[in-house]
Amino acid sequence: DTAVSQTPKYLVTQMGNDKSIKCEQNLGHDTMYWYKQDSKKFLKIMFSYNNKELIINETVPNRFSPKSPDKAHLNLHINSLELGDSAVYFCASSRDLGVPYEQYFGPGTRLTVT
Amino acid sequence: AQSVTQLDSHVSVSEGTPVLLRCNYSSSYSPSLFWYVQHPNKGLQLLLKYTSAATLVKGINGFEAEFKKSETSFHLTKPSAHMSDAAEYFCVVSDRSYKLIFGSGTRLLVRP
Repeated sequence: DTAVSQTPKYLVTQMGNDKSIKCEQNLGHDTMYWYKQDSKKFLKIMFSYNNKELIINETVPNRFSPKSPDKAHLNLHINSLELGDSAVYFCASSRDLGVPYEQYFGPGTRLTVT
Repeated sequence: AQSVTQLDSHVSVSEGTPVLLRCNYSSSYSPSLFWYVQHPNKGLQLLLKYTSAATLVKGINGFEAEFKKSETSFHLTKPSAHMSDAAEYFCVVSDRSYKLIFGSGTRLLVRP
């Protein structure tokens, strides 16, 4: 059973398009996250939701909009894609918000913008 | 602000020899520290975490790390490397808003 799943695994699209990445966790966790990993493997948090409420919103362009329809899902919608958006996007979840709680990561979505 | 510095971008060892991956942190308070591993084309997996309990932390797959406040270090070690240990390793510190701040990663290569 996959704990944190993401779809699609690979996404190739052209500049200016709008795309979505979906994330689902079946762990019963209350908190979910989106991370971006650039070409140099640098990982940075983008958003965090706790019980469907936005908790962390880093300085991410407002072309990126997370949506949490329920506690098990956190989707990432990206408008007007740019070349610099090419990266691997990881979804993660944890039982609750806080340091003692391990974050479980999905397999990642590799986004390539041409 | 909290930060971590991974001192080596690449580490190469022979199978069966010890592994040392170095990490220094900067924090204005007692930090929580983690090591995550990322195998090729996979998500990240928690190896171990330090949250102000015992300074020597044991993790999965024979890895351990020691929190040294005087040296602001949290180095990851393993007595004997296995081929399956080849991966990218991230040292991570948590800030007070529970954000994980990742180091730049160390790629571990294991030679047969």
